[in-house]
Amino acid sequence: KQEVTQIPAALSVPEGENLVLNCSFTDSAIYNLQWFRQDPGKGLTSLLLIQSSQREQTSGRLNASLDKSSGRSTLYIAASQPGDSATYLCAVKSWGNTPLVFGKGTRLSVIA
Amino acid sequence: DTEVTQTPKHLVMGMTNKKSLKCEQHMGHRAMYWYKQKAKKPPELMFVYSYEKLSINESVPSRFSPECPNSSLLNLHLHALQPEDSALYLCASSPTGDGYTFGSGTRLTVV
Repeated sequence: KQEVTQIPAALSVPEGENLVLNCSFTDSAIYNLQWFRQDPGKGLTSLLLIQSSQREQTSGRLNASLDKSSGRSTLYIAASQPGDSATYLCAVKSWGNTPLVFGKGTRLSVIA
Repeated sequence: DTEVTQTPKHLVMGMTNKKSLKCEQHMGHRAMYWYKQKAKKPPELMFVYSYEKLSINESVPSRFSPECPNSSLLNLHLHALQPEDSALYLCASSPTGDGYTFGSGTRLTVV
């Protein structure tokens, strides 16, 4: 059974810092991995989708990497801003008719 | 249109009421999902519809009843809910597993 772990659970950084959020998964036979952002009481916004054949994806100040062999993904946020404050969720889709498996998220606070 | 639209955004209902949550997408996605999310927890899968047929039901109580009238619409019918059912209910769609798009959710309060 796939399990997804996110470290750290919470993170507070000053504005302007570069930061890394970590996601690990137990079964490396994944179809894809998706990073989401969630603001309090709101829905999930997709940030980046990495297919199993890809090593990384980039969007603006965000870069996500995938290392299937070690069961790890990282989300790199450059030059953090207070508007980046949110909960970041990692979710893994395995092959076949299997549900998306979420980590518990990292709650990020960027202090001005 | 690249959105999943959920209505209503907020709902307060009594334990004897019957209400429905609605979800709509026009991206041509053939899989649609209902999730339940409690505060500070990740979303929990409730139901999966693939090609308008229920394919996964994660042992959800019968007071929750899903319906998929067509490939663009997904409803969740609620009846005789309990206060512990208060949560954020999220709808999502995907082109059969290849990247999920979530709606903004319905905040449900059962009184």
